[in-house]
Amino acid sequence: EAQVTQNPRYLITVTGKKLTVTCSQNMNHEYMSWYRQDPGLGLRQIYYSMNVEVTDKGDVPEGYKVSRKEKRNFPLILESPSPNQTSLYFCASSLTHLAKNIQYFGAGTRLSVL
Amino acid sequence: GQSLEQPSEVTAVEGAIVQINCTYQTSGFYGLSWYQQHDGGAPTFLSYNALDGLEETGRFSSFLSRSDSYGYLLLQELQMKDSASYFCAVRDGTDKLIFGTGTRLQVFP
Repeated sequence: EAQVTQNPRYLITVTGKKLTVTCSQNMNHEYMSWYRQDPGLGLRQIYYSMNVEVTDKGDVPEGYKVSRKEKRNFPLILESPSPNQTSLYFCASSLTHLAKNIQYFGAGTRLSVL
Repeated sequence: GQSLEQPSEVTAVEGAIVQINCTYQTSGFYGLSWYQQHDGGAPTFLSYNALDGLEETGRFSSFLSRSDSYGYLLLQELQMKDSASYFCAVRDGTDKLIFGTGTRLQVFP
């Protein structure tokens, strides 16, 4: 089954404790992206990757890191989480960056930073 | 600045037709998409318009007028399972996909 898989689905952590949210897709998509969703603000892009070893900042990149060493994986790293990073996070992918109008989303990761 | 505007909430009854509007103000335009998100779920792609006119996919249709910077999603024969949030998204001139803040649709029996 074609899908985008995120782990973990739920995470509670404390300020400053490094964490990684994994994202994997099995559709051989070139373009991958991370979003955060907060009430009243819709989906905001954190980072994106047009292909392996090519990443760039989205609209809200502060406090986050990403890497794209393999085509299928695009982990999101919070080196020193803070309470304002409490949010619902989605990983998404599309065939290419030119097809980003049509994105496939993972099930989401709900993160709470205490 | 860049903005997408859509109503925050729409209500309707089963079997009815509802239209969710989206007006956008972006620097450049490369298409309007619509996504559905049920509570606690992931956004799922519904429809995409690159050119003016109507695109039909089953009970759902989407319309675009680039001259008016306007589009809408039309849902026909509403069912209870259509209760969800609907987001419009525009790919702008910088090749970013910008999402609206979403319209919550409540369908009543």
